Amino acid sequence: AQTVTQSQPEMSVQEAETVTLSCTYDTSESNYYLFWYKQPPSRQMILVIRQEAYKQQNATENRFSVNFQKAAKSFSLKISDSQLGDTAMYFCAFMNNAGNMLTFGGGTRLMVKP
Amino acid sequence: DAGVTQSPTHLIKTRGQQVTLRCSPKSGHDTVSWYQQALGQGPQFIFQYYEEEERQRGNFPDRFSGHQYPNYSSELNVNALLLGDSALYLCASSHRQSFSTGELFFGEGSRLTVL
Repeated sequence: AQTVTQSQPEMSVQEAETVTLSCTYDTSESNYYLFWYKQPPSRQMILVIRQEAYKQQNATENRFSVNFQKAAKSFSLKISDSQLGDTAMYFCAFMNNAGNMLTFGGGTRLMVKP
Repeated sequence: DAGVTQSPTHLIKTRGQQVTLRCSPKSGHDTVSWYQQALGQGPQFIFQYYEEEERQRGNFPDRFSGHQYPNYSSELNVNALLLGDSALYLCASSHRQSFSTGELFFGEGSRLTVL
């Protein structure tokens, strides 16, 4: 069974600054997918960024980028130029190659301060 | 284009009762997954439905059951409610052809409170 661990329950960052959220996972599979989801107070889970394990290049989506270290089983999210709208819970998630279920970490609550 | 819709948004039940939650997937999606999110925790996978059958199940007791209709909408039923069933229940939809992308679209959830 896979496990996903987010060791930072809460973080804060000043508007326009950069923040990095940490995530580690454990799996015996060689091919899989990793995700960061954002859950604002509206409760709807929104996909932020996705990484395929077979790709060495780190994924980037506008202000969001990841640092994927497969050997270390580490998958951190960097948010650049933080905006007030980035305030939310952030969940790291793992999906196996069968694509039939997500395993989530416990989440990191991020607050962006003006 | 309507996204994933869930109903009801909030509901309160008492221990021992039964509850039914409903989900309509995003247009063009044929697969529905259900997740339970306890307060302050990450979501946990309950089960997944496509072609009107349960295809994968997480570590949840048989009190949790589901159904998928020919129009791909789905229901989650929980019998003999316990206090510990209080949670946000999230529905996520996808298309089997896009399993390899792993992208799920989530609804806003149904908040269940068991008293």
